[in-house]
Amino acid sequence: QSVLTQPPSVSGAPGQRVTISCSGSSSNIGTGYDVHWYQQLPGTTPKLLIYINSNRPSGVPDRFSGSKSGTSASLAISGLQAEDEADYYCQSYDRRLSGYVFGTGTKVTVL
Amino acid sequence: EVQLVESGGGLVQPGGSLRLSCAASGFTFSSCAMSWVRQAPGKGLEWVSIISGSDGSTYYEDSVKGRFTISRDNSKNTLYLQMDSLRAEDTAVYYCAKGRYGSGSYYDNYFDYWGQGALVTVSS
Repeated sequence: QSVLTQPPSVSGAPGQRVTISCSGSSSNIGTGYDVHWYQQLPGTTPKLLIYINSNRPSGVPDRFSGSKSGTSASLAISGLQAEDEADYYCQSYDRRLSGYVFGTGTKVTVL
Repeated sequence: EVQLVESGGGLVQPGGSLRLSCAASGFTFSSCAMSWVRQAPGKGLEWVSIISGSDGSTYYEDSVKGRFTISRDNSKNTLYLQMDSLRAEDTAVYYCAKGRYGSGSYYDNYFDYWGQGALVTVSS
């Protein structure tokens, strides 16, 4: 079982804004460790989407934004598009496990 | 252009062994930590292991400790994962992933490039 909890699914109409939460604890996000986000389009390999809480790699649209506060982090997608339908995972480090951890994953559906 | 190409996946019986390889190109391999991340069919991502770039320090997820061994050959730009005593629950696609930083123990490391994955099926 992952120590980072995400909602199994979120959905929205084209153009809407959706947010995905990543809930951790004092042994990971709450310690101050950075949170990173990955996008996995259907049938493809994961791709880095957000790094160090809120930074976008080159080529990632500014519709995607990340934030972190306390023991949680969030990914927001504004102006939702059909091509955003994918699974999204947060990732951090856990000092109790002494290793990297991924969130449970969230499937985004565009209605 | 960064490229990571995994090979060595396949069908193996419970208790058997398999070795995955990941050929890397397009970056200074020896400067980067390299990791294996797996994804069971229909499930989420699970970090498996990481190896530091220069000193070769290794770290493992608890369920694979003592059974899996990560290694690298910086002269061949290749990452390996030796998997022994395989179990049905090890069935997954195994991704090779490049760490942004060189240390495998750096808590803020993340994975900026991923391979296409190698399917490992453990079944009798």
